[in-house]
Amino acid sequence: TQLLEQSPQFLSIQEGENLTVYCNSSSVFSSLQWYRQEPGEGPVLLVTVVTGGEVKKLKRLTFQFGDARKDSSLHITAAQPGDTGLYLCAGAGNNDMRFGAGTRLTVKP
Amino acid sequence: DSGVTQTPKHLITATGQRVTLRCSPRSGDLSVYWYQQSLDQGLQFLIQYYNGEERAKGNILERFSAQQFPDLHSELNLSSLELGDSALYFCASSGSVAESSYNEQFFGPGTRLTVL
Repeated sequence: TQLLEQSPQFLSIQEGENLTVYCNSSSVFSSLQWYRQEPGEGPVLLVTVVTGGEVKKLKRLTFQFGDARKDSSLHITAAQPGDTGLYLCAGAGNNDMRFGAGTRLTVKP
Repeated sequence: DSGVTQTPKHLITATGQRVTLRCSPRSGDLSVYWYQQSLDQGLQFLIQYYNGEERAKGNILERFSAQQFPDLHSELNLSSLELGDSALYFCASSGSVAESSYNEQFFGPGTRLTVL
């Protein structure tokens, strides 16, 4: 059972479009991370959010942590083919880390 | 390059066999995590070690075991292998005393295990 639900599971869009993916949970996390994984490689950390309501920007990527620290969103502006990959959110509890199943994004040129 | 190394990169073996996967964490990191990733199951947390001691356990089968050595490298042992154990196995590390982290994990390149 996944403690973190990510949606959508799959997303295929054209280059230049905007998109938002979501990470939801009934649990409160002390911090939440977003990772991006390409086929055959390990996940790469994109960002960590810690404070409820926090917004962080990484170039065309905007990450938001929910006020109650139970959910998060990732918004990509003007998606590029290089954004293609599996986006994973992960929540940190007291002593462990739980990953969502991921959103598999495909950006077509 | 995350600084986490894993060997071997690929491993092909037969059912019933036993294999050992090895991980070296980033310099200074005290925690090592093991994950299994298969197409239909996503990234599944197996076990965490911190400075040589088991810290947290996830969905790890009894046929699997792990340890972290004094030099902080870790090994994941998989025994009595079954076809369903075929997957990517990732190691991650965190907890460098040199930086403020929130369980941020840095992943190795993975070991692709194929059980025939």
